[in-house]
Amino acid sequence: GAGVSQSPSNKVTEKGKDVELRCDPISGHTALYWYRQSLGQGLEFLIYFQGNSAPDKSGLPSDRFSAERTGGSVSTLTIQRTQQEDSAVYLCASSLGVEGYGYTFGSGTRLTVV
Amino acid sequence: AQSVAQPEDQVNVAEGNPLTVKCTYSVSGNPYLFWYVQYPNRGLQFLLKYITGDNLVKGSYGFEAEFNKSQTSFHLKKPSALVSDSALYFCAVSPSGAGSYQLTFGKGTKLSVIP
Repeated sequence: GAGVSQSPSNKVTEKGKDVELRCDPISGHTALYWYRQSLGQGLEFLIYFQGNSAPDKSGLPSDRFSAERTGGSVSTLTIQRTQQEDSAVYLCASSLGVEGYGYTFGSGTRLTVV
Repeated sequence: AQSVAQPEDQVNVAEGNPLTVKCTYSVSGNPYLFWYVQYPNRGLQFLLKYITGDNLVKGSYGFEAEFNKSQTSFHLKKPSALVSDSALYFCAVSPSGAGSYQLTFGKGTKLSVIP
């Protein structure tokens, strides 16, 4: 597609429920990143996929968080047993995987845990 | 490992005045440098980048940034601020020639342009 698409744009869930957030990157972009942003603050790196390589999961805050990328394209970030502190905007970005190319970000999913 | 510092959490400027948002970086070798802008309830949008060549880079919406290797800085500037420039600005860096294209972001600077 023309841009990075994220869905849903907003999600309200009850504490303890599982949620899935979806990211559809730009076609041909081999790299995909997930970030978390709380209340207009900085970006917290979560996970990074590059082609068929094993993902860099070093930023995932707990084992309740997981992500997969199927077929080198669409990615799903799953949060199990959501907690109120998980409330944030979850941003996805994709990149061509070339030095100096930079990222293209989606508009994000605003997650609210009540 | 690379790092980015944005020393000001917030910058206030009067409409029509010049604005500067500061960024310094640390990276092994030569850097690739980026500025992104985030408007309320939106994702980050690319503004400009420095790869090589002219140290003064011009980008979207009248913004420009100057790469200063000796000071390891990449400050964002605009000659005349608009109220619509009010947003959150992020500086980012990646090393060149290292086979790595993962960006490291600063914490962001909130720019408020006062009418």
